[in-house]
Amino acid sequence: AAGVIQSPRHLIKEKRETATLKCYPIPRHDTVYWYQQGPGQDPQFLISFYEKMQSDKGSIPDRFSAQQFSDYHSELNMSSLELGDSALYFCASSLSTGRLMETQYFGPGTRLLVL
Amino acid sequence: AQSVTQLGSHVSVSEGALVLLRCNYSSSVPPYLFWYVQYPNQGLQLLLKYTTGATLVKGINGFEAEFKKSETSFHLTKPSAHMSDAAEYFCAVGGMNTGFQKLVFGTGTRLLVSP
Repeated sequence: AAGVIQSPRHLIKEKRETATLKCYPIPRHDTVYWYQQGPGQDPQFLISFYEKMQSDKGSIPDRFSAQQFSDYHSELNMSSLELGDSALYFCASSLSTGRLMETQYFGPGTRLLVL
Repeated sequence: AQSVTQLGSHVSVSEGALVLLRCNYSSSVPPYLFWYVQYPNQGLQLLLKYTTGATLVKGINGFEAEFKKSETSFHLTKPSAHMSDAAEYFCAVGGMNTGFQKLVFGTGTRLLVSP
């Protein structure tokens, strides 16, 4: 079965640079979530989108922005990168069926290293 | 706000022994509970979930978990550990009190399996 695709899988950037992470949800899934997992930490929710609209927002820095496109893929844009942004960034997707809580399926993650 | 607590950052078992990973949740409304597994350098894979209905939930790879409202627990068990079970396990809670649909993760438990 098709899974969530994330690109790139690895990314190395310098401080103050920008980075764009992409997420392609499972086909027909309409909701996308972004999580950040620091070294040795649990995943922290950043932001989510449903039908191209932001549905929830977590602890996402103002330097970060995200959007969901008409084909449901999503991009996380990160500017003025800091050393502390080094982490594994997960994207998850789900299909909205009207239930209060849908199952989220995670991609393999993008490992970002800021030098 | 909802939260989960995973007791024990590391659990060591011998191959063939019972696996018990503990998770307690905090919620003022019936929660939606999940267990995810993360193998080294990989994404999060859904093991099982509890939404409503039967309190004993069976998942993949022989794992199961029981929702106990009176104990606010959702412990993960497997009768007989296999070497391939060595991984990081995350308990997560979602639903109304956490925001629209975001997941709140515990700090994870690393399962070590020895021959």
